[in-house]
Amino acid sequence: DAKTTQPPSMDCAEGRAANLPCNHSTISGNEYVYWYRQIHSQGPQYIIHGLKNNETNEMASLIITEDRKSSTLILPHATLRDTAVYYCIVRVAEIKAAGNKLTFGGGTRVLVKP
Amino acid sequence: EPEVTQTPSHQVTQMGQEVILRCVPISNHLYFYWYRQILGQKVEFLVSFYNNEISEKSEIFDDQFSVERPDGSNFTLKIRSTKLEDSAMYFCASSGVTGVYGYTFGSGTRLTVV
Repeated sequence: DAKTTQPPSMDCAEGRAANLPCNHSTISGNEYVYWYRQIHSQGPQYIIHGLKNNETNEMASLIITEDRKSSTLILPHATLRDTAVYYCIVRVAEIKAAGNKLTFGGGTRVLVKP
Repeated sequence: EPEVTQTPSHQVTQMGQEVILRCVPISNHLYFYWYRQILGQKVEFLVSFYNNEISEKSEIFDDQFSVERPDGSNFTLKIRSTKLEDSAMYFCASSGVTGVYGYTFGSGTRLTVV
């Protein structure tokens, strides 16, 4: 799986949009971009994923550049409960016996401030 | 929303003792995983399990570790002879038929080896 690079930390004001960048310059054509978050010491929580089109769900939006070498996770109206470590992970999507694991990096520690 | 359930939430054990961590994955999921996170460090993949056998394991998953799906609902991780360095949060996860979508993680078991 391709490696990702994220800033180690960022602050965000409550109610404002939080834009979390991720670089994945070595991404392959069959690899998706996944975002997870981990609140305190809880289990990681799936947020969103995408291949090349922008995606939106009830939690967030994912913007992937045309060359797919970077992406941005957008939390449209950050709340205090969005304080967490956010992980950008690149991974092939098809089910195979091997290669289905998630490789977590250090992520971005997001602190939402009142 | 379906959940992955892990028990116990916290286990303290003496070095050299065997421990079994238990997980109930989401009922229609077919792929099962264990991850661990040592305090302050990254989430690390241990093992994936599909069709009643290990499909991939990491270097961490040595002969001291084993996994089992003893019945149709439980998925267990056994550590045969615990070491101090096994102290960590252990997360179980499961995923559905299509690997495109994200995993669902449990809330974890905090294992403390004394």
